[in-house]
Amino acid sequence: GAGVSQSPRYKVAKRGQDVALRCDPISGHVSLFWYQQALGQGPEFLTYFQNEAQLDKSGLPSDRFFAERPEGSVSTLKIQRTQQEDSAVYLCASSLSGLRGRRNQHFGDGTRLSIL
Amino acid sequence: TQLLEQSPQFLSIQEGENLTVYCNSSSVFSSLQWYRQEPGEGPVLLVTVVTGGEVKKLKRLTFQFGDARKDSSLHITAAQPGDTGLYLCAGHHNDYKLSFGAGTTVTVRA
Repeated sequence: GAGVSQSPRYKVAKRGQDVALRCDPISGHVSLFWYQQALGQGPEFLTYFQNEAQLDKSGLPSDRFFAERPEGSVSTLKIQRTQQEDSAVYLCASSLSGLRGRRNQHFGDGTRLSIL
Repeated sequence: TQLLEQSPQFLSIQEGENLTVYCNSSSVFSSLQWYRQEPGEGPVLLVTVVTGGEVKKLKRLTFQFGDARKDSSLHITAAQPGDTGLYLCAGHHNDYKLSFGAGTTVTVRA
């Protein structure tokens, strides 16, 4: 498809398990972002990639969260030893460039993560 | 912690009525965006405002950016059920980082 694709759409895990969330950005988009959206809140920035380089990971809540984009396209957000407070919708977005005028972010439909 | 405060949190109106949603911050943003998000989907960009005092119109939606670039409003004229959704404002701190408000849930009853 032409949009940002995220998988799985829903993920249920037991507390303590590791999970991996996948994002396929729009082809050719240089920038990729991960956000966390808790129930009733707006998205909160987690991390930013420009091609394969992770330029900003200031929003990652703890060292249990790890993101990668090894070939500058598909990205994976991994959460180790999940906790109940990790339950949220995880949104991925991509943009053509990080530069002004070409920085509109296109969002995927998210992965809803529920930790039991 | 959301740097942008949106009000009201919830808004329920009858079809045909007008509504205004507000977005306020103590920070100055280089640009501000409005998104609409429907259940189970990602946010979709409606508009970007860049210049203080700027007004943009998108059919029945009017967006205004405050003179000091700290606040914005979204006005919908003659709302329709299809306008129902979560309206989010978001500000750019730099070339890439967006900060979102908590959103206003708008329900338009037929």
